[in-house]
Formats: sequence, C-alpha cells, structure tokens
Amino acid sequence: QVQLVQSGAELRKPGASVRVSCETSGYSFISYYLVWVRQAPGQGLEWVGLIKPSGGITTYAQKFQGRVRLTRDTSTNTVYMELSSLRPEDTAIYYCARMSLMNWFDPWGQGTLVTVSS
Amino acid sequence: QPVLTQPPSASASLGASVTLTCTLSSGYSDHSVDWYQQRPGKGPQFVMRVGSGGIVGSKGDGIPDRFSVLGSGLNRYLTIKNIQEEDESVYHCGADHGTGTNFVVVFGGGTKLTVL
Repeated sequence: QVQLVQSGAELRKPGASVRVSCETSGYSFISYYLVWVRQAPGQGLEWVGLIKPSGGITTYAQKFQGRVRLTRDTSTNTVYMELSSLRPEDTAIYYCARMSLMNWFDPWGQGTLVTVSS
Repeated sequence: QPVLTQPPSASASLGASVTLTCTLSSGYSDHSVDWYQQRPGKGPQFVMRVGSGGIVGSKGDGIPDRFSVLGSGLNRYLTIKNIQEEDESVYHCGADHGTGTNFVVVFGGGTKLTVL
C-alpha cells in the first residue's frame, strides 16, 4: 500500500534551518506530485508548497518563497523540505502528502514536529 | 484565490446526524472543495471532494457510507449520519486554484466536531 514515512521531531534555534524528509513507497514515485502542509499548535492547515518528482519542478506558497526549498531523490523515492531563517512562529507539525491526479491530498505522512525555540 | 470559511465548532449526539459547512468566497461558486478528517493526535485523512453537483470522484479509503456531501451556491456540505464516537475529529476543507507557478491551495480554519 502507499506509505509516506517522515523523519523525526526537530528542535532548532531561531535563525537556523531544518530539513525534513518524507520517504515514499507502494507506488510509482515519479507519477504523482508531493506536497507539504503545516499545522501550528491548535491551528488549521497551511499549504507550504509542492514538488513534481519527475524533473523536480517546485511551486511554493507566496508566504514561504525565499525561505523554503523542496527537493527530491529519485533513487530513494524521498522528498525533502528545507526551511531556513526559522522563527518561533514556524513551530508546527509539518506533513507531506501525495497529491492525487485530481489534486486532493491522499495519503498523508505521519507528520514531523519542528520546534523553534531559543 | 478563494477564501474558505468554516464554523469553529459543531456538536451532535451519538447516533444523530450533523452537517458541516464550508463556504467559498464570492465568485467561486463553481469551485470544488476537499474534506479532510483529522482525529485527535493524528494527521489528516482525505474524506471526499464536493462540487456544486455533489461528490467528485470517489471517497477516501475506509470512509463509511454514513458520510455524504452536497454543494449549493457557495456552500459545500459534509453530512455525517448515525454519528459514532470515532467521528469526533476536526474537519478541514481545502481547495486548489490556478495552474503552474500560480497554483495555490487554501484551507478553511477547520470545524471541531464533538460527539455528545
């Protein structure tokens, strides 16, 4: 079955960077876009960006442009999200999800908590 | 891009029915939205997509027949019949808009459903 497994929780200081991974399995990696969505504590969902694994083309939410970078490794079927210049308000659970051919997100990874604190 | 509005909370008794609403901003009456269920402490799970004519495509894996959708005007509804304890969740609606470098995804604030 389709699975997305993310890396573990991270703690960073303000101004630092973090990289979160999302390893996929159970389907053709290059056939589906992958997205990143975050959820701050007690808040709603916020779209971060997407990557097309075949070719590595990316699209980012305007809010994160210049601070986020999505990459992929086709040899390990893994996508990565790197967020730089971290601030306390970036504290959130970051989810990866596969985007269906009709653009809904299914399934989702288990989430990675990123905490930004001095 | 559309703005999605959801009431922050809803409640229903065990075995009853409840309808959750996601309202699109003006000018987007043809837009579809996606419903996601997020159980406490878990990640979101796709429920189904709803357009102005009802369900678009198929339900997510494991979503029971008790869940249905309807679209009317700017509103997109998720109805849950015969509510069970496991339905207590936050329900998010989301919508995509644009193509290529103008592609965006927006979400409503989520509705927390409490089962009484």
